[in-house]
Amino acid sequence: DGGITQSPKYLFRKEGQNVTLSCEQNLNHDAMYWYRQDPGQGLRLIYYSQIVNDFQKGDIAEGYSVSREKKESFPLTVTSAQKNPTAFYLCASRRQVSSYEQYFGPGTRLTVT
Amino acid sequence: QKEVEQDPGPLSVPEGAIVSLNCTYSNSAFQYFMWYRQYSRKGPELLMYTYSSGNKEDGRFTAQVDKSSKYISLFIRDSQPSDSATYLCAMSPDNYGQNFVFGPGTRLSVLP
Repeated sequence: DGGITQSPKYLFRKEGQNVTLSCEQNLNHDAMYWYRQDPGQGLRLIYYSQIVNDFQKGDIAEGYSVSREKKESFPLTVTSAQKNPTAFYLCASRRQVSSYEQYFGPGTRLTVT
Repeated sequence: QKEVEQDPGPLSVPEGAIVSLNCTYSNSAFQYFMWYRQYSRKGPELLMYTYSSGNKEDGRFTAQVDKSSKYISLFIRDSQPSDSATYLCAMSPDNYGQNFVFGPGTRLSVLP
């Protein structure tokens, strides 16, 4: 059963703590993406990776970091430098960079207090 | 002005109604247009994909693109309660995922 998994579904952290969100895909897709979704706003791109060991900043990368050590995994770390980290985080993947269909994971709801 | 505008709703319709969902945009370079459906607390799933102007039909769903007006629409015929979700439009000047721009979404409720 192929797809994208994100864990955990809900995550609570205290302000000042770093937190890592997991994203795994077994679709053998090359490209992976992290988005942030806030009420009343469109999805905003945080980071993306086209191949293993390479990643690029998106529109709102400040306060976030990623790694892509394996093709199937693209974890996102929300650091204490992110000023407003409470949001719904979505991971996505595409078979190739130019393939039109982007598959999304179920998301992680992060709440920082 | 946001690059992609979408009426947030909520839009409530009776079962069986024809639903029209719309997005306007400002960037004339957009060539690729997509509609995603997102159920509550889930990830979006791709519904329709069109390139440039014109119509595309898939079952009960029809996507229209009017590049001259910078306006795209998604029509849902014979709407069902299972269509209740948030509908996101997305568009891009090219087919590279990192350049997608998403609208904020319209929340639709189809009442039985």
